[in-house]
Amino acid sequence: GIQVEQSPPDLILQEGANSTLRCNFSDSVNNLQWFHQNPWGQLINLFYIPSGTKQNGRLSATTVATERYSLLYISSSQTTDSGVYFCAVEPYSGAGSYQLTFGKGTKLSVIP
Amino acid sequence: EPEVTQTPSHQVTQMGQEVILRCVPISNHLYFYWYRQILGQKVEFLVSFYNNEISEKSEIFDDQFSVERPDGSNFTLKIRSTKLEDSAMYFCASSVGREWGSYNSPLHFGNGTRLTVT
Repeated sequence: GIQVEQSPPDLILQEGANSTLRCNFSDSVNNLQWFHQNPWGQLINLFYIPSGTKQNGRLSATTVATERYSLLYISSSQTTDSGVYFCAVEPYSGAGSYQLTFGKGTKLSVIP
Repeated sequence: EPEVTQTPSHQVTQMGQEVILRCVPISNHLYFYWYRQILGQKVEFLVSFYNNEISEKSEIFDDQFSVERPDGSNFTLKIRSTKLEDSAMYFCASSVGREWGSYNSPLHFGNGTRLTVT
């Protein structure tokens, strides 16, 4: 099956710093989403981004589908950004494959 | 914005008991999913459901699991005889689906049900 690798696995930031999280995937994809899992375990959908670039406030994401990677940028980090960030992809299949494969996540800790 | 809702938020059960986890997907969505996350691990796909039948399932989704859409709004996951290793967060998700040749639409996840088997 498709492989999803996220880096770094752990990241500690001072409040106000910027960061880049990376997601590499091993095959063409039909879907790519970035999620933030908060301390209560909820999965918050950040971006649906199978290709291109999107921005939402301090967060932005870029997926280069031809090179099989996606980047999540966090600017001016806040303590509320702490948690685990997951990249999830759905492999391309003409017949329709509807399962998302998640990476292991990047655990972000933002300290005041 | 419409949401996927899951109940209960936390369920404690004894080993060997049956549990039913409930979900109300977003009303115009056509595809429904269950995922699970064992504590500290990554989120894993269990099953997808479309047009009142299972479209895909993972190796985890064995005979002790079943899904049902008993009416027009609810989507349930039943675990027939729970084991200690079934303890996990279970997420329901739904999506509109996709047209042939285009990207799939995003999956919308509920807040999860934390299942604890003792």
